Amino acid sequence: DGGITQSPKYLFRKEGQNVTLSCEQNLNHDAMYWYRQDPGQGLRLIYYSQIVNDFQKGDIAEGYSVSREKKESFPLTVTSAQKNPTAFYLCASSIQAPAFAGQPLITDTQYFGPGTRLTVL
Amino acid sequence: AQSVAQPEDQVNVAEGNPLTVKCTYSVSGNPYLFWYVQYPNRGLQFLLKYITGDNLVKGSYGFEAEFNKSQTSFHLKKPSALVSDSALYFCAVRASKIIFGKGTRLHILP
Repeated sequence: DGGITQSPKYLFRKEGQNVTLSCEQNLNHDAMYWYRQDPGQGLRLIYYSQIVNDFQKGDIAEGYSVSREKKESFPLTVTSAQKNPTAFYLCASSIQAPAFAGQPLITDTQYFGPGTRLTVL
Repeated sequence: AQSVAQPEDQVNVAEGNPLTVKCTYSVSGNPYLFWYVQYPNRGLQFLLKYITGDNLVKGSYGFEAEFNKSQTSFHLKKPSALVSDSALYFCAVRASKIIFGKGTRLHILP
């Protein structure tokens, strides 16, 4: 978990409420990611950002929003449009790596934060 | 389409015995392969990765993994299991993006 912090550790949301999960890293990584973890489903990518002021939707972006105003920070907002938000949310960061073979070898191991468990009341 | 599969939801091993957690993948081109471990209510911790080179990769906590291109597998192994190895293990493959398997829960029985 070193170098990436997530807060809060536990979060409770009421119906119709937006909540924001914090993710901060001091690893000087360019890329940051948000995953949702549900039992038996592994990790599913919500959003990712490869550079400041830019981000892309992952596989399950509906009902979520993000911002990347600073390299160190990548907050995730769970909006009221997300109908089943109860889950464990994981933030990660990595060195930016090329997407195609033949480029310089830059490892892109992802380093994860400790997670935030969100529960809808 | 790229994919990664962990065929076993759970693996039980007696302490001191060798352990194997299986992973198979499907990607076009050369894969980057990773193993991560997750302890309860914690984030994932990186164990090891294969990028290129030697097919046997050594990682943290005595774990190793063998890359087999013909079988498109990247099984995680340890010669002698410890009770403290009990956790959830994820295999991941990166081609155009990183995809994680669904995880295998490893139980080491004392």
